[in-house]
Amino acid sequence: SQTIHQWPATLVQPVGSPLSLECTVEGTSNPNLYWYRQAAGRGLQLLFYSVGIGQISSEVPQNLSASRPQDRQFILSSKKLLLSDSGFYLCAWQSQETQYFGPGTRLLVL
Amino acid sequence: GESVGLHLPTLSVQEGDNSIINCAYSNSASDYFIWYKQESGKGPQFIIDIRSNMDKRQGQRVTVLLNKTVKHLSLQIAATQPGDSAVYFCAEISYGGSQGNLIFGKGTKLSVKP
Repeated sequence: SQTIHQWPATLVQPVGSPLSLECTVEGTSNPNLYWYRQAAGRGLQLLFYSVGIGQISSEVPQNLSASRPQDRQFILSSKKLLLSDSGFYLCAWQSQETQYFGPGTRLLVL
Repeated sequence: GESVGLHLPTLSVQEGDNSIINCAYSNSASDYFIWYKQESGKGPQFIIDIRSNMDKRQGQRVTVLLNKTVKHLSLQIAATQPGDSAVYFCAEISYGGSQGNLIFGKGTKLSVKP
């Protein structure tokens, strides 16, 4: 069966510091992968998606970047965090039309 | 632009009662719809889906109804239990869009009173 992992689970970072969040998927090959951000009490905002190694599409202009160095690894990064980067970050993989989500990373930027 | 929204941000029901969570969508070309359940501090969990060529689909204790005439989607939960307390999101996908990405509504918070 397929599983999706995210780490860390929670992170507190100062403004201006770098960021690296990791997502890995097991049990599938060449999945479409997604990064979402969810503000408190709000819906999901699509940040990036990837259809293959090295292929990244950005949905919104922002302070973040994404990379896919391996088939089942998706990384979300920032060189300098902003206060507005705080939120709940979710990684998802897609099987046919349905997306399945990871456990999420809670990021607090102070 | 096209969007998926929810009629009510919160819903409170008594344990054992049936719950109905509603969702309106504006893209009449949407092909596929999903309901997700998100418990506090966790990622959304797939509940049930329905295609645009169907008007009803049933799962275990859940039923999704699709009314394409009025562009309305609902999730019915039978015999609601405390473990059903969560935020419920509907999502739509239109295959005419870029990569067929899902568009999510803001969510409805369901609270179950014992």
